[in-house]
Amino acid sequence: KAGVTQTPRYLIKTRGQQVTLSCSPISGHRSVSWYQQTPGQGLQFLFEYFSETQRNKGNFPGRFSGRQFSNSRSEMNVSTLELGDSALYLCASSWGVGHTEAFFGQGTRLTVV
Amino acid sequence: GENVGLHLPTLSVQEGDNSIINCAYSNSASDYFIWYKQESGKGPQFIIDIRSNMDKRQGQRVTVLLNKTVKHLSLQIAATQPGDSAVYFCAEVGGATNKLIFGTGTLLAVQP
Repeated sequence: KAGVTQTPRYLIKTRGQQVTLSCSPISGHRSVSWYQQTPGQGLQFLFEYFSETQRNKGNFPGRFSGRQFSNSRSEMNVSTLELGDSALYLCASSWGVGHTEAFFGQGTRLTVV
Repeated sequence: GENVGLHLPTLSVQEGDNSIINCAYSNSASDYFIWYKQESGKGPQFIIDIRSNMDKRQGQRVTVLLNKTVKHLSLQIAATQPGDSAVYFCAEVGGATNKLIFGTGTLLAVQP
């Protein structure tokens, strides 16, 4: 079966703009989590969604938001982009709540200029 | 606060040798641990997990050991192959937040 699909793979945005990233989980998986990966901070948890509800949230400012649709697909949005938001944004899906055997997508590389 | 760290940021081994990647965690309330492998340009790939009620778990060529007394986790890779070259992350889950917290990663370089 298809893995976790993230779109787009690469994105270049200007400071102050907003961006929306998309994640399609593995078929049957109902939990989607988002992570930010940077060389300086490593992998940091953003939020987790299950059945369209945010179940957990990391320590990121309110500019970072997300949602999950009834088909389990998820989007994350970053508003008022800053240079420091440049990162690889990873999405992971799993069958249930929590992180048991979470499968990651290849990520969206966001560059803010 | 919660922190998961790795003792060795870079590990270089010869092909065919066994590799041991170590990880220290600080949250004694964590009850679930995962090892991930991340190759260049890809997302982390699940390798193996272990719950806090276990000391050891084996997979195909990999073994995870958990020592709760000293809050230490290790990943052993048998007969390391060039395809094992990647960054390896340990991660912990548990406590009040149930968040997945990653360590800083160890780069495993396999020399032919």
